[in-house]
Amino acid sequence: DQQVKQNSPSLSVQEGRISILNCDYTNSMFDYFLWYKKYPAEGPTFLISISSIKDKNEDGRFTVFLNKSAKHLSLHIVPSQPGDSAVYFCAASYNNNDMRFGAGTRLTVKP
Amino acid sequence: KAGVTQTPRYLIKTRGQQVTLSCSPISGHRSVSWYQQTPGQGLQFLFEYFSETQRNKGNFPGRFSGRQFSNSRSEMNVSTLELGDSALYLCASSSLQGPYNEQFFGPGTRLTVL
Repeated sequence: DQQVKQNSPSLSVQEGRISILNCDYTNSMFDYFLWYKKYPAEGPTFLISISSIKDKNEDGRFTVFLNKSAKHLSLHIVPSQPGDSAVYFCAASYNNNDMRFGAGTRLTVKP
Repeated sequence: KAGVTQTPRYLIKTRGQQVTLSCSPISGHRSVSWYQQTPGQGLQFLFEYFSETQRNKGNFPGRFSGRQFSNSRSEMNVSTLELGDSALYLCASSSLQGPYNEQFFGPGTRLTVL
């Protein structure tokens, strides 16, 4: 049962432009959402998170938007850099229990 | 501060065998979580240990088990291996339990079952 879905397996963006990664979820009880970035041969690293009481959280070039009515969140990277090329996972949690991850989106930023 | 370490990094086993994977958390971290990553499935939660107690368990068969020692190091065991168990197994540590607290992942153990 895939409660967190990333429907785009890959995304290609030109350097300097905006990258938008999308994530949908089905469980309305989720109250905490996270984005992780993963480079080959390394474990995922935490990028940014958002609580369900907010609809936006910003950290430098990274902004996460949460639309609870649509059960949708997105990660915006502005401006995109070649070093941002990685697999991005969104994850969701309810009541500090385990994280449910999406299948990931591979972002390629072209110079 | 040293990161999360996992041993071994690569492992090849045959069907029916059992395997034990090890995870050493960041010093001072008391929570260790395990995940299975397969292509197209993302990361799937196996279990979380906090202060030697299993706090949470994912939807995996009983062949998957784990434990945590008093020094917070954790082991994961898979018995009677099946071809579908081939995956990257990741562990993550955090200072407190649950994903509300930032989790730090190790590089993973790549298990191949032949």
